[in-house]
Amino acid sequence: DIVMTQTPLSLHVALGQPASISCRSSQSLVYSDGNTYLSWLQQRPGQPPRLLIEKISNRFSGVPDRFSGSGAGTDFTLKISRVEAEDVAVYYCMQSAQLPRTFGQGTKVEIK
Amino acid sequence: QVQLVESGGGLVEPGGSLRLSCATSGFTFSDSYMTWIRQTPGKGLEWLSHISGSGSIKHSADSLKGRFTISRDNARDSVYLQMNSLRVEDTAVYYCARGGWTNDYWGQGTLVTVSS
Repeated sequence: DIVMTQTPLSLHVALGQPASISCRSSQSLVYSDGNTYLSWLQQRPGQPPRLLIEKISNRFSGVPDRFSGSGAGTDFTLKISRVEAEDVAVYYCMQSAQLPRTFGQGTKVEIK
Repeated sequence: QVQLVESGGGLVEPGGSLRLSCATSGFTFSDSYMTWIRQTPGKGLEWLSHISGSGSIKHSADSLKGRFTISRDNARDSVYLQMNSLRVEDTAVYYCARGGWTNDYWGQGTLVTVSS
């Protein structure tokens, strides 16, 4: 199975400041169709996970543009350009290049 | 709008069975892979199984050792997870999600508690 490793596991950020979360996979996430199946999910307290970004950098419908994704191969990053109160959540990376799909441990973002 | 609503969770004794359902609306169900994922405080998010739009392709996590079976009814726009030989460690919130590669919409989840 592909192991997804996120760092840090916890992040305290002041409102309006940037935040960055790293995700590293144990194998390449490039699929046979040429796409790299790395997604980022946001889970607010008491809510189900919600898709933020798919295929490294494509923001899903309705996701604010302060969220951005980057990376390639096995190293990926989620950035929040200016953290807002509603961004308090746990963020997960997920790979869909191989079965079984696997997730990072999650990064908890809190306001400082 | 796309909606996914899980049901069927509850309290069950070890060794028992449950069938989870996920009713959907707002998209062409028969065109979509569907996936089951669960979440526990200890193991985080765990992918369980997915099924193609026609139902002809199914994959499941090896860790389930054949205890869980995914199925769908395209006439009812619903996907199911039959869970047998339940163990205490299967206690989790179970989510259905649309998609086989990118899971773009998720349900609210249904809680399954396995305990004597």
